[in-house]
Amino acid sequence: DADVTQTPRNRITKTGKRIMLECSQTKGHDRMYWYRQDPGLGLRLIYYSFDVKDINKGEISDGYSVSRQAQAKFSLSLESAIPNQTALYFCATSDLRDSPNEQFFGPGTRLTVL
Amino acid sequence: TQLLEQSPQFLSIQEGENLTVYCNSSSVFSSLQWYRQEPGEGPVLLVTVVTGGEVKKLKRLTFQFGDARKDSSLHITAAQPGDTGLYLCAGWVSSNYQLIWGAGTKLIIKP
Repeated sequence: DADVTQTPRNRITKTGKRIMLECSQTKGHDRMYWYRQDPGLGLRLIYYSFDVKDINKGEISDGYSVSRQAQAKFSLSLESAIPNQTALYFCATSDLRDSPNEQFFGPGTRLTVL
Repeated sequence: TQLLEQSPQFLSIQEGENLTVYCNSSSVFSSLQWYRQEPGEGPVLLVTVVTGGEVKKLKRLTFQFGDARKDSSLHITAAQPGDTGLYLCAGWVSSNYQLIWGAGTKLIIKP
């Protein structure tokens, strides 16, 4: 079984809809991240969490929110989706005790906003 | 703002050829990581370089960290179709516990 899972894998939605992307991990890592990937732009950090009570904005947090429900679960919400949020979204985890910090990625969610 | 510039963005070569991918910044990083991503999957770590001037080899792949820890290169010898993928470099900023990512190099090796 995969260590980092994301649901759904693909989602098509309409402008204005609320969308939640979910991430679960079995690696026992404290740190979790949400990134979006766009062609030619690489990975951009949306939010990150170093433990259940610690949530931090990343480079591009506007239009997104997150919830860390448990050590193993970190969800990303788009409150009112817009077409330029069409992208590939990745969840990642890392171990607090690991330096430098290797990140382990889920398989991604491809989101299309019409 | 710390940036990592990768070049080239896209490279398509024949099997057996050699190639080098570059990752450059004006900032100093504590370490630099190289990841490889295949379609439909997330990036997977290939190597981490930590010390200025460090060279690491992974079979036909050679990774080098610049002396000043601002740049890195990935050299592939005798490329094979199985090397096809998106190669990403990421610099570790220890002050805020974040990785700064390059935009990636899409590599296609034709049989």
